[in-house]
Amino acid sequence: EPEVTQTPSHQVTQMGQEVILRCVPISNHLYFYWYRQILGQKVEFLVSFYNNEISEKSEIFDDQFSVERPDGSNFTLKIRSTKLEDSAMYFCASINSGNSYNEQFFGPGTRLTVL
Amino acid sequence: SQKIEQNSEALNIQEGKTATLTCNYTNYSPAYLQWYRQDPGRGPVFLLLIRENEKEKRKERLKVTFDTTLKQSLFHITASQPADSATYLCALDRGSTLGRLYFGRGTQLTVWP
Repeated sequence: EPEVTQTPSHQVTQMGQEVILRCVPISNHLYFYWYRQILGQKVEFLVSFYNNEISEKSEIFDDQFSVERPDGSNFTLKIRSTKLEDSAMYFCASINSGNSYNEQFFGPGTRLTVL
Repeated sequence: SQKIEQNSEALNIQEGKTATLTCNYTNYSPAYLQWYRQDPGRGPVFLLLIRENEKEKRKERLKVTFDTTLKQSLFHITASQPADSATYLCALDRGSTLGRLYFGRGTQLTVWP
């Protein structure tokens, strides 16, 4: 069964450093998302991406964040200058059409720890 | 902004009983409401979706109801098993074509033998 994959599974970085989190969505999917979950908190939407551009972003997704689909398979989230409060699980998700009553397929997540 | 509340942080029940989890929301009514399962350190896994014009949806031992008047969804697991132990997330979808989900904090279900 196809699945969303994410690398790395765990990323440790120093405050102020740049990190890139990588995702490979399911191959025939067209809509891509990043969510984050701070330990013990709810899953929060960051950004949606379609047709090589951002469709929607939340207030969390500020100038320090960017997303890119550099090729036909990868979908990346970059944090330019990490802060302590960026420590969280980051989940990539995808759906295969703009019909929102499709389930979202989530990856296993990347645990980001900012020291 | 949309606010989603799930009835309790934790629910403990005995194997074989029915688990009932509650999701309440405020402000606008979602077009769709989804339920996900999340195991520790893992991503959410889709379970069921119910549309605003549907009252009930079933899938095997799972049942979801949706009451737009009460702004509430109930999620039932019948004949619960220890393997059902996980955190269950309620997620609202406003029905845009972009599928952004608004999640509740989840209810941690423990089924003991």
